[in-house]
Amino acid sequence: GAGVSQSPSNKVTEKGKDVELRCDPISGHTALYWYRQSLGQGLEFLIYFQGNSAPDKSGLPSDRFSAERTGGSVSTLTIQRTQQEDSAVYLCASSLRGRTEAFFGQGTRLTVV
Amino acid sequence: QKEVEQDPGPLSVPEGAIVSLNCTYSNSAFQYFMWYRQYSRKGPELLMYTYSSGNKEDGRFTAQVDKSSKYISLFIRDSQPSDSATYLCATSGAGSYQLTFGKGTKLSVIP
Repeated sequence: GAGVSQSPSNKVTEKGKDVELRCDPISGHTALYWYRQSLGQGLEFLIYFQGNSAPDKSGLPSDRFSAERTGGSVSTLTIQRTQQEDSAVYLCASSLRGRTEAFFGQGTRLTVV
Repeated sequence: QKEVEQDPGPLSVPEGAIVSLNCTYSNSAFQYFMWYRQYSRKGPELLMYTYSSGNKEDGRFTAQVDKSSKYISLFIRDSQPSDSATYLCATSGAGSYQLTFGKGTKLSVIP
């Protein structure tokens, strides 16, 4: 596709439920990132994938958060037992191997009620 | 001290004005500097990318990096109402893929 595609664009879930957020990176981009943007806060790094290498999960805030990337392309971020503090915009980005410039998707706005 | 500091604004200017947006950073290892523009309820859009110190110009936009003072700037000439958005600065170190962002400055250009 022309850009990074994320789905759904909006998700409202009840506290305690699990959610899955999907990201489809730009074709040919081997690096994929997840960031979180909370109200009034900057973007917070969550996880990084590069090709078939082990991901850098150092930014995941708790063990309720996990992510996978299948076939070196599409990625899914899963949040288990959602809490109200998980409410935020979850942004996915991709870049070419070895390049720092990251291109972002439109984000998934998650609201936990 | 936050690694990247950015005045959140809001900043309001009349159409046609020159806008100056700034960030300071604390980590001298940062080598790559970016500016993103984010419209309301949209994802960040990469505007400018620079490596190390110096200036880079693209149309009405000029990015400036002064590594000696750890200061990065974005100048917008002849500002337009369509420039109204939140501007985020971002940095990373050599060999690092992780971007460190400022909190963003909200800009309004009044017709």
